[in-house]
Amino acid sequence: KNEVEQSPQNLTAQEGEFITINCSYSVGISALHWLQQHPGGGIVSLFMLSSGKKKHGRLIATINIQEKHSSLHITASHPRDSAVYICAVRAQGGSEKLVFGKGTKLTVNP
Amino acid sequence: DAGVTQSPTHLIKTRGQHVTLRCSPISGHKSVSWYQQVLGQGPQFIFQYYEKEERGRGNFPDRFSARQFPNYSSELNVNALLLGDSALYLCASSLFARTGGAETQYFGPGTRLLVL
Repeated sequence: KNEVEQSPQNLTAQEGEFITINCSYSVGISALHWLQQHPGGGIVSLFMLSSGKKKHGRLIATINIQEKHSSLHITASHPRDSAVYICAVRAQGGSEKLVFGKGTKLTVNP
Repeated sequence: DAGVTQSPTHLIKTRGQHVTLRCSPISGHKSVSWYQQVLGQGPQFIFQYYEKEERGRGNFPDRFSARQFPNYSSELNVNALLLGDSALYLCASSLFARTGGAETQYFGPGTRLLVL
């Protein structure tokens, strides 16, 4: 079993829909990252959080440390949001090592 | 300011050859991490360097090595290439958190390696 599990693996939505991507992890963490990867490979960091909730534009990320669970929400989705969304955790202990989920491929149709 | 840069962008090698990939971190960042991403999978941690010292190593064979230079740029070397080494190699830089807290990692565009 992977230390970081994401669901769903693939997600197709219509423009304007509210989207939720989930991430569960099994280790103690110091931080959780949500990343966006477009075709071609480039990875962009969306959020880094260790508690509570963060919001940036139409993106919202939440984390529940007790339940070892995080969600990424996209409001009013748009075709340009189509990408792979990756959850990654930094384990406790001071290392910068990130452990990644396999990613959720999101396709938003016009 | 320039982001994390990597070179080359694409590379084709044959089995048994060696390869050197390069990464320049964001100005002021002293920590560089390397990741391997096989098609359809999430990235896997290979190495982390800070102040020219190895601070972390993932579960990769000794064919993989890396180093960091005084200007904080880094090289990843892979010897005796195998077909399974074909992947996107990502470099990420960050300000190293001495206190153990987390820092955002900024990723480069990656080097896509194909081993034939």
